[in-house]
Amino acid sequence: DQQVKQNSPSLSVQEGRISILNCDYTNSMFDYFLWYKKYPAEGPTFLISISSIKDKNEDGRFTVFLNKSAKHLSLHIVPSQPGDSAVYFCAASESDKIIFGKGTRLHILP
Amino acid sequence: ETGVTQTPRHLVMGMTNKKSLKCEQHLGHNAMYWYKQSAKKPLELMFVYNFKEQTENNSVPSRFSPECPNSSHLFLHLHTLQPEDSALYLCASSQEGPPYYGYTFGSGTRLTVV
Repeated sequence: DQQVKQNSPSLSVQEGRISILNCDYTNSMFDYFLWYKKYPAEGPTFLISISSIKDKNEDGRFTVFLNKSAKHLSLHIVPSQPGDSAVYFCAASESDKIIFGKGTRLHILP
Repeated sequence: ETGVTQTPRHLVMGMTNKKSLKCEQHLGHNAMYWYKQSAKKPLELMFVYNFKEQTENNSVPSRFSPECPNSSHLFLHLHTLQPEDSALYLCASSQEGPPYYGYTFGSGTRLTVV
């Protein structure tokens, strides 16, 4: 059973608009959430994270929102740029273990 | 380069072969991990080493054998693999404790078993 779910396998967004990637989780013991970005033929790279005691964390064009009651988090990218085209993995951690979602492929359209 | 180096980048092996994957990090991290990425599946954690000691074996078949000779190097020894073992194998490292910055991943080894 998947503890971290990314239900949209792909997403297309016009350049300059907002990209919103969603993630749901089932384990209420997760205490940290992370987003990773992966280009083809490369390993995932860390993008942004949020502690379970917060509901928002912002870093430049990237903002992660956490809704604990809904067990839902989202990544907002504003404005979207061509280099943002990649696969985005949502991940959740409990102690020192991280569980990943399947990923969402984001296409930024010109 | 992310600081975690994996070799080889690509590997094709027969089901009767023995090969090894190598991972190296000089980030001063004290935990290292092997992950498997299959198509259309979440990243699967295989093994965890903390301070060179294996702390987790996630029900991985014995045809995969990890080795961690020191905190900077991690190997995955492969023997008598099956075609379904074909996947991207990712190594990662982290500093033990809250993963505020998550893991640092290598670029992976693309393994094809024929």
